[in-house]
Amino acid sequence: DAKTTQPTSMDCAEGRAANLPCNHSTISGNEYVYWYRQIHSQGPQYIIHGLKNNETNEMASLIITEDRKSSTLILPHATLRDTAVYYCIVRGYNNNDMRFGAGTRLTVKP
Amino acid sequence: DVKVTQSSRYLVKRTGEKVFLECVQDMDHENMFWYRQDPGLGLRLIYFSYDVKMKEKGDIPEGYSVSREKKERFSLILESASTNQTSMYLCASRGLHYEQYFGPGTRLTVT
Repeated sequence: DAKTTQPTSMDCAEGRAANLPCNHSTISGNEYVYWYRQIHSQGPQYIIHGLKNNETNEMASLIITEDRKSSTLILPHATLRDTAVYYCIVRGYNNNDMRFGAGTRLTVKP
Repeated sequence: DVKVTQSSRYLVKRTGEKVFLECVQDMDHENMFWYRQDPGLGLRLIYFSYDVKMKEKGDIPEGYSVSREKKERFSLILESASTNQTSMYLCASRGLHYEQYFGPGTRLTVT
């Protein structure tokens, strides 16, 4: 699986968009980008995934650059409940394993 | 919404006890997983199952066994609990696009 690099921490004001970057310069053609988050003392939560097109669901949007070497997860209107560690994972579609890196600790402030 | 439930949020057991952790998913997923999560070590895969009665070892299967008698239920068994098995245990099931849905976790303390 390709290695990912994320900032250690970020702050965001409540109600504003949170933009979380992820670098994955060694991504290969058949690898997808997945985003998860983990709120303190809870299980990880799947957010969104994509291959090369931008994706949007009820939780977030995922923007993947044309060269696929980086991506951004966007939470359009962050709330205090979005405070969590966000993990960007790049893996092949048929890879069963789930390895989280250190992730980005997002703190949403009032 | 996909729902993965785990039998307990918190559990305290004594060394040498047999421990059962149960996980149930309601989305008819074929693949289910057991992980443990420890500070500084991230998620580590213990076992996974790709069908009823089928199982595969993950990275750290020693000291654990699993059971999958029904599609929706995947159990993790600690045959003889030890203090180094104190951890957060997470169950997950895999969706159509290989995304994983996790349960709330069981924080197990072995004394």
